[in-house]
Amino acid sequence: GDSVTQMEGPVTLSEEAFLTINCTYTATGYPSLFWYVQYPGEGLQLLLKATKADDKGSNKGFEATYRKETTSFHLEKGSVQVSDSAVYFCALLRGDSWGKLQFGAGTQVVVTP
Amino acid sequence: GAVVSQHPSWVICKSGTSVKIECRSLDFQATTMFWYRQFPKQSLMLMATSNEGSKATYEQGVEKDKFLINHASLTLSTLTVTSAHPEDSSFYICSASDRGLVPINEQFFGPGTRLTVL
Repeated sequence: GDSVTQMEGPVTLSEEAFLTINCTYTATGYPSLFWYVQYPGEGLQLLLKATKADDKGSNKGFEATYRKETTSFHLEKGSVQVSDSAVYFCALLRGDSWGKLQFGAGTQVVVTP
Repeated sequence: GAVVSQHPSWVICKSGTSVKIECRSLDFQATTMFWYRQFPKQSLMLMATSNEGSKATYEQGVEKDKFLINHASLTLSTLTVTSAHPEDSSFYICSASDRGLVPINEQFFGPGTRLTVL
């Protein structure tokens, strides 16, 4: 079945550092890919998405490019802020039924001043 | 943006009792709602999909008689954990989506409900 693997956390960074969270997937075909973010005490929010190969999703300074050759969708941000501290989930849209998401395990990011 | 609420945000109950969790879409009509379970430091596991006015579809391995899902209106879905036991303790999250509005589904997530069964 479909699966998503993302790097384990926690990832601890200083403010203004470069952030990368690796995400790879296994799926039949070319599923749509997503990054969700969960801030402390809040629900998951869609951060960005890409629906086909070579698409780049971007939002709030975060970027991720859909790479079908490497089946990857790594999340990057050039200069993190303390407010970026959260748990980040990579996900794909399953092909077996409408709307079903398959999530990675989540990566906690801690940004220190 | 679209807002989804859950109630209660946390609940503690005795083993053997039933607990109901509500999921509401506050400013849009949710034709489809999803229920997830999240264990500590683990991913979200999809439990079931419910479409308004029809029976829920459960993922493999999820006991439908234990986790009763009702989606009676376009803004409300409920998850009832029947005869709860300590192993049912978890964080339950719902999400909602509207098939009619988005070409590629975007789900809006509730803040989650922490269930602790003593």
